[in-house]
Amino acid sequence: KNEVEQSPQNLTAQEGEFITINCSYSVGISALHWLQQHPGGGIVSLFMLSSGKKKHGRLIATINIQEKHSSLHITASHPRDSAVYICAPQGGSNYKLTFGKGTLLTVNP
Amino acid sequence: EPEVTQTPSHQVTQMGQEVILRCVPISNHLYFYWYRQILGQKVEFLVSFYNNEISEKSEIFDDQFSVERPDGSNFTLKIRSTKLEDSAMYFCASTRENTGELFFGEGSRLTVL
Repeated sequence: KNEVEQSPQNLTAQEGEFITINCSYSVGISALHWLQQHPGGGIVSLFMLSSGKKKHGRLIATINIQEKHSSLHITASHPRDSAVYICAPQGGSNYKLTFGKGTLLTVNP
Repeated sequence: EPEVTQTPSHQVTQMGQEVILRCVPISNHLYFYWYRQILGQKVEFLVSFYNNEISEKSEIFDDQFSVERPDGSNFTLKIRSTKLEDSAMYFCASTRENTGELFFGEGSRLTVL
């Protein structure tokens, strides 16, 4: 059984569209991370949140601890947003991350 | 801006050889991690390290793997006798606090032939 489920697995959008990526998890957590990974590249932390909502520029992340659900939104999407977005709850005695499979986002001009 | 650096960026080795992957975490960070990602798969936890000892390790982290922080700055992952299935991207990460922002290195790609 997957501890972290992301949807959709693949998402293609036109530039300017509003994007939503969802994450459900079954593990107990202290925080949840949203990460970005470019093809063949490193991992960049976008958000770490334990409640409510956070916003960085065009990116917004929300979490509902009771429902064990988080969403990542991208407003006014741009081709440079094309990447894999990964949900990773953090928990356990050593605060390690459990990674989702990621959502491959492609934004076409 | 502080960053986690990893070397080498890519290493090709023969099966059975020893490999050492190096990481320099951010200087005031206290918690260190190694993760790996096999091509096309999700990122998996290998090991966490705090206060100069392993604090948790996954089932993947068997006796072939070891970590150490020899000089207070480098954080190394050693694979004693590599197998084909060890081919993956290995990511080092560090954080100052155990619930703080996590910083990842760019990764070291290991190819075992």
